[in-house]
Amino acid sequence: SQTIHQWPATLVQPVGSPLSLECTVEGTSNPNLYWYRQAAGRGLQLLFYSVGIGQISSEVPQNLSASRPQDRQFILSSKKLLLSDSGFYLCAWRPSNAYEQYFGPGTRLTVT
Amino acid sequence: AQKVTQAQTEISVVEKEDVTLDCVYETRDTTYYLFWYKQPPSGELVFLIRRNSFDEQNEISGRYSWNFQKSTSSFNFTITASQVVDSAVYFCALSHTGGFKTIFGAGTRLFVKA
Repeated sequence: SQTIHQWPATLVQPVGSPLSLECTVEGTSNPNLYWYRQAAGRGLQLLFYSVGIGQISSEVPQNLSASRPQDRQFILSSKKLLLSDSGFYLCAWRPSNAYEQYFGPGTRLTVT
Repeated sequence: AQKVTQAQTEISVVEKEDVTLDCVYETRDTTYYLFWYKQPPSGELVFLIRRNSFDEQNEISGRYSWNFQKSTSSFNFTITASQVVDSAVYFCALSHTGGFKTIFGAGTRLFVKA
């Protein structure tokens, strides 16, 4: 069966510090991968998606970036965090032959 | 334009009541998929159901049922005999055949009180 991992679960970082969130999927190959952000009490904002290694589509211009160095690994990064980057970050995967997405447990980021 | 509207921001019910969560969508495509996801307090979104645009048959899974009506562009979700464990935020979503992105509604927060 397929599983998706995200770490860390929680993170408190000062403004201006770098960020690296990692997501890995097990039990499948060539998945579509997604990063979402959810502000407190709000809906989901799609940040990036990837249909293959090295292929990244950005939805929202901001100080975040994403990379997919391996088929089942998706990384969200920032060189300098802003207060507005606080939120709940969710990684998701979708089988290449289906449309439903499966989400990881999320990372709760607080920028202080 | 592609859009998913969940007009109910919050709903509060007492345990054992039935509750319906509304979802209205807009799309110009003729083939698409609709979904419902549940986000419990732990935060992880859980996939509940997928429906394709060619299949208007209602679906029932235990206490959950879904009503898809293309004529009104609606995909409503009913929980029968609600339980405290049903308390969560529920998201309706839309994806186009051949597309990579999913459009999510703003979510409906359901409180089920004992």
